[in-house]
Amino acid sequence: EPEVTQTPSHQVTQMGQEVILRCVPISNHLYFYWYRQILGQKVEFLVSFYNNEISEKSEIFDDQFSVERPDGSNFTLKIRSTKLEDSAMYFCASRPDGTLRYNEQFFGPGTRLTVL
Amino acid sequence: RKEVEQDPGPFNVPEGATVAFNCTYSNSASQSFFWYRQDCRKEPKLLMSVYSSGNEDGRFTAQLNRASQYISLLIRDSKLSDSATYLCVVTSVSGGYNKLIFGAGTRLAVHP
Repeated sequence: EPEVTQTPSHQVTQMGQEVILRCVPISNHLYFYWYRQILGQKVEFLVSFYNNEISEKSEIFDDQFSVERPDGSNFTLKIRSTKLEDSAMYFCASRPDGTLRYNEQFFGPGTRLTVL
Repeated sequence: RKEVEQDPGPFNVPEGATVAFNCTYSNSASQSFFWYRQDCRKEPKLLMSVYSSGNEDGRFTAQLNRASQYISLLIRDSKLSDSATYLCVVTSVSGGYNKLIFGAGTRLAVHP
């Protein structure tokens, strides 16, 4: 069964450094999302992406964050200058055309980001 | 008021027990409703969608009451493997791109 993949599984970085988290969504999906989960807290929406542009972003998704779909398969989340509070699990999700399996989002295994 | 509220638990139940989780949501215009399951340090996985008419999938039954903005999940004949955190999830109505709004989750521990 097709699945969303994410790399790396764990990323350790120093405060102020840039990180890029990578995701490969399911191949025929059209909508892409990033969520994050700080340890012990709920899953929070960061950004949605459709038709090669951001469709919605949360308050968390400030100027330090950016997303890109550089080719037909990868979907990346970049944090330009990491802060301690960016330490979290970052989940990528994708969804097919809404006329097919309406609203169901498929999640990747996540990247654990640790900022020191 | 939180957008999605759940009892955090934990619910500690013996194998074979029936357990019920409740959830309320604040936005009456929310469109779609789900229960996800999350194991420790893993990704959320869809357990079931919740429909207005109620729906059942094996030992799991989900109910939705739009008037009360209330969602429930019933697990019958609990198994050890049901131990996890159960996340109540609704979709936002803004923009049509359907971001998911998660509750904080209810932890279930099933013991022998």
